[in-house]
Amino acid sequence: DAKTTQPNSMESNEEEPVHLPCNHSTISGTDYIHWYRQLPSQGPEYVIHGLTSNVNNRMASLAIAEDRKSSTLILHRATLRDAAVYYCILRNNSGYSTLTFGKGTMLLVSP
Amino acid sequence: KAGVTQTPRYLIKTRGQQVTLSCSPISGHRSVSWYQQTPGQGLQFLFEYFSETQRNKGNFPGRFSGRQFSNSRSEMNVSTLELGDSALYLCASSLVTANTGELFFGEGSRLTVL
Repeated sequence: DAKTTQPNSMESNEEEPVHLPCNHSTISGTDYIHWYRQLPSQGPEYVIHGLTSNVNNRMASLAIAEDRKSSTLILHRATLRDAAVYYCILRNNSGYSTLTFGKGTMLLVSP
Repeated sequence: KAGVTQTPRYLIKTRGQQVTLSCSPISGHRSVSWYQQTPGQGLQFLFEYFSETQRNKGNFPGRFSGRQFSNSRSEMNVSTLELGDSALYLCASSLVTANTGELFFGEGSRLTVL
């Protein structure tokens, strides 16, 4: 399975934009890039996903590099409720990927 | 609609015992996948069941097993518990296979092995 690499932690101030990077240099052409986040004492929740083009939804934006070897989750205005562990994973619709989330990036948001 | 329900939420076992955890998916969801979360290893995939069949399995020993019933409810079992099995066990349900659909997670079952 293609792996992803994320920083262990990042810090931000409230109401500032946050850019969470993810490297996936061995991504295959049919891998989708998914982001989930896990708030304290909760199970992970879906944030956004994309294949090649940048994507936007009410929670965040996903910017995908042209060669698809990296992507960035963008929170436009961080709030205290965005403090969570963010996971970047690759999912292949045609295969049997093992859906390993790894350790993710812990985002700390200061008031 | 009701979310994914996991029971029990907390349990304590001793080494050598076995444990069974239950997961009730969102109504209509056919896929249930299981994950182990520890501080050292993060969130790791255990296995996925889809329509009562194990569809995929992660890199865990045979002590970890599971099954899915006709109503899509799933159980996972860990036999001969070891201290290292202490973890938060999460299940997620999906309308279609875990590879393609959005995953909806439960709050987990926290297992402590003494």
